[in-house]
Amino acid sequence: AQKITQTQPGMFVQEKEAVTLDCTYDTSDQSYGLFWYKQPSSGEMIFLIYQGSYDEQNATEGRYSLNFQKARKSANLVISASQLGDSAMYFCAMRETHLSNSGYALNFGKGTSLLVTP
Amino acid sequence: DVKVTQSSRYLVKRTGEKVFLECVQDMDHENMFWYRQDPGLGLRLIYFSYDVKMKEKGDIPEGYSVSREKKERFSLILESASTNQTSMYLCASSLGQTGSHDAQYFGPGTRLTVL
Repeated sequence: AQKITQTQPGMFVQEKEAVTLDCTYDTSDQSYGLFWYKQPSSGEMIFLIYQGSYDEQNATEGRYSLNFQKARKSANLVISASQLGDSAMYFCAMRETHLSNSGYALNFGKGTSLLVTP
Repeated sequence: DVKVTQSSRYLVKRTGEKVFLECVQDMDHENMFWYRQDPGLGLRLIYFSYDVKMKEKGDIPEGYSVSREKKERFSLILESASTNQTSMYLCASSLGQTGSHDAQYFGPGTRLTVL
C-alpha cells in the first residue's frame, strides 16, 4: 500500500520569507505522481502543483516549486516570498495505480498547517 | 476554470434520517469522487465513479451509497445517518486521462452534523 507522510503538523513563517513543507512517500511503483493541495479555512481544496516520477526537472508553478528527490522518496513543497494569504493547510498526495479504466484515486497525507505572520 | 459545486455548505440532520449530498461539475469530467475529511485522519475516499451509472468503493464505503445518473452530477447518500458520520464531505472531479497528472478539482465541501 502506498503511504504519504507529512511530519510537520504546523509551521510558522514570516511574510516574504520562503518556507519548505516536507512530504515523504512510500511506493513500489515505478510510475507515480505527486500533488500538493492548499486548503484555506473556507474548506475548498485547491490544486497547486504536480510532479511525475519520470519528470527530470522539478516542477514549478509561480511561487510554488517542488523539491523532488526520487532516491530519498521526498517531494517537498517550497513556497517563496510568503504572503498572508498563504496561511492554510497543505496536503501532499500521491496518485495511486489506476483503479479503473480511467483515471486514478489520490492517497493524501495528513497535512501541514502553515501560518504566515506579518 | 473547473467548477465543482456542492448543494450545501452546512447541513444538520438527525440520527436515522436519509441524507443526500449533491455534487455538480461543469467541465465534462469523466471521474468524480467523494471524500470525507476528519481531524487527524486526513482525506479518505468513500466512493468514486468513472462513468455514468458506474461506481467503485473507496476505502470507507460502509454506511454510504452513491448515484451517478448524469455525467455532471454525483450524489452521496447516507441511508440512515449516524453521529459518527458527522464530518466534512468533499466532492472532486478529474478529467480521467491515464498517463497524465489528472489532477482532481474539489468543491467547497459540505460540513455535515448528525445529532
